[in-house]
Amino acid sequence: AQSVAQPEDQVKVAEGNPLTVKCTYSVSGNPYLFWYVQYPNRGLQFLLKYITGDNLVKGSYGFEAEFNKSQTSFHLKKPSALVSDSALYFCAVRVPGYSSASKIIFGSGTRLSIRP
Amino acid sequence: GAGVSQSPSNKVTEKGKDVELRCDPISGHTALYWYRQSLGQGLEFLIYFQGNSAPDKSGLPSDRFSAERTGGSVSTLTIQRTQQEDSAVYLCASSLLRADNSPLHFGNGTRLTVT
Repeated sequence: AQSVAQPEDQVKVAEGNPLTVKCTYSVSGNPYLFWYVQYPNRGLQFLLKYITGDNLVKGSYGFEAEFNKSQTSFHLKKPSALVSDSALYFCAVRVPGYSSASKIIFGSGTRLSIRP
Repeated sequence: GAGVSQSPSNKVTEKGKDVELRCDPISGHTALYWYRQSLGQGLEFLIYFQGNSAPDKSGLPSDRFSAERTGGSVSTLTIQRTQQEDSAVYLCASSLLRADNSPLHFGNGTRLTVT
């Protein structure tokens, strides 16, 4: 079965330190990979995506993510965390060539908490 | 506005009543999705509209749930005879059709509370 895993329900980091939010996937083919962020009482906002090319992609708010095909991972990273980065983060995978929404698979989410 | 608009933002209803939730997608986005999110949890896929094709209803949890999309734009999600377990945030998203690498654009959701 195709799946996306975010192994950590919560990640806590001190402000100014680097952060990593993990995502691994198990899908057929060469999927498209996405990260979304959700602030309280808001919908999800697109952060970045990997389609092809350079394994390191840069996105909004200073975030970046590294695609690792051999490990089937797409970890979200930021060199220096801000308190305002505290939010819920979702990894998502889309299997290309399928028009059904069921081929968009979301992880369960990771709550990122940045302490001052 | 340029974003996905959902209304109402909050809805409190009594058990057994019917509710309608509205979604106005981004202009030009022909793909529309409904998801359900329980408190601080992950997303549960409900239904997907893609252009003029038949909707993918595979995520609807029961026959009390239905949705329609009129004129390829606005969508309404209807929950009949609401139950307490229906309490959640209902999120709508839109994207460009047939652009698999196009991200979803989400509205702020409707928080439904069934008392």
